[in-house]
Amino acid sequence: DTGVSQNPRHKITKRGQNVTFRCDPISEHNRLYWYRQTLGQGPEFLTYFQNEAQLEKSRLLSDRFSAERPKGSFSTLEIQRTEQGDSAMYLCASSAQGFYTEAFFGQGTRLTVV
Amino acid sequence: DQQVKQNSPSLSVQEGRISILNCDYTNSMFDYFLWYKKYPAEGPTFLISISSIKDKNEDGRFTVFLNKSAKHLSLHIVPSQPGDSAVYFCAASPGAQKLVFGQGTRLTINP
Repeated sequence: DTGVSQNPRHKITKRGQNVTFRCDPISEHNRLYWYRQTLGQGPEFLTYFQNEAQLEKSRLLSDRFSAERPKGSFSTLEIQRTEQGDSAMYLCASSAQGFYTEAFFGQGTRLTVV
Repeated sequence: DQQVKQNSPSLSVQEGRISILNCDYTNSMFDYFLWYKKYPAEGPTFLISISSIKDKNEDGRFTVFLNKSAKHLSLHIVPSQPGDSAVYFCAASPGAQKLVFGQGTRLTINP
């Protein structure tokens, strides 16, 4: 297993367009997280899945954002009607079941909205 | 509200010396703490963690110390190497859930 995989690595889109990102977690991990990171800040939590169930969503996740994990494996994050403020690095992480299990991150998808 | 704070945006250390990165938190519900290292244009890489039942955890050159009464943790790197130059993030979790990150400290190791 090569770790958490995210696609695409980079995405440039025009304001108002929809974008979708994909995350493939480490295969035996049942927890999957999405974070967003802007310049000079630490990653900020967006949402969290345990298997296919979305258990928590941050208030940062406006109604333009939707995340799915249909079969408890890969996940997608869609942003509708993108705005310039959506420009950021979108990070996916996964972790195993249990307490005190570290989360492993993918390389991220850099979104630029022009 | 910034629940996890790294008050030093940057730190410069001579190669071979000790690097000490600090982190403060405010939420008493946090019981699991992690340090991540990040290079530009890459995702964070897990370094070391500690649960609230311990006050020290060591892994090779990396040691994390937790002072629960002060709500403070630190990462010690000794000896520091040029490859350690990166941004270091402290993160905290309330029981195996989402991570709350600090703003990061940029560590530069000088030859």
